Amino acid sequence: DAKTTQPPSMDCAEGRAANLPCNHSTISGNEYVYWYRQIHSQGPQYIIHGLKNNETNEMASLIITEDRKSSTLILPHATLRDTAVYYCIVGGGSYIPTFGRGTSLIVHP
Amino acid sequence: NAGVTQTPKFRVLKTGQSMTLLCAQDMNHEYMYWYRQDPGMGLRLIHYSVGEGTTAKGEVPDGYNVSRLKKQNFLLGLESAAPSQTSVYFCASSYSTRTSGRANEQYFGPGTRLTVT
Repeated sequence: DAKTTQPPSMDCAEGRAANLPCNHSTISGNEYVYWYRQIHSQGPQYIIHGLKNNETNEMASLIITEDRKSSTLILPHATLRDTAVYYCIVGGGSYIPTFGRGTSLIVHP
Repeated sequence: NAGVTQTPKFRVLKTGQSMTLLCAQDMNHEYMYWYRQDPGMGLRLIHYSVGEGTTAKGEVPDGYNVSRLKKQNFLLGLESAAPSQTSVYFCASSYSTRTSGRANEQYFGPGTRLTVT
């Protein structure tokens, strides 16, 4: 399974867009990109996933580059409740999800 | 629909004691997982199961055993607890990872906070 690289921490002003990058340069053709977040000691929560095309749901947008080697999770109007650790995972077929350290996002007033 | 539940929520053990953590899901998921999370770290996979009666080792299986006698339950056992096993333990489940996409979405329980003194 492809490994991912994320910055350890980021910060964002409340109301502004938070753009969280993820590098997955070894991703293979059948592997999806998944994003989860973990809010302060709770269990991680699924946010969004994608294969090639950009995706949007009620929580976030996912932009995947054309070569699929990187992606960006966008929280369009970050709130204080979006302060969390965000994990980017890639996998497909019969993969077993493994989590790295993710990106700690702090949204400040 | 309770999702994924974990029992107990908190536990303090003395070194050498044993205990079992219970994970239950009511979503008819095939796959179940046990992770541990230490301060400042991501989640590390201990064991997982791809179906009733099957289990497999993850990244950090030493010191733990698991059983999946019923599809809805996944048990994590510590036979002889050590201080290094002080951690927060998360259970998760998913429909399947044999296909891709939303079927791979994992649902997590609230965690069990274990302290071994």
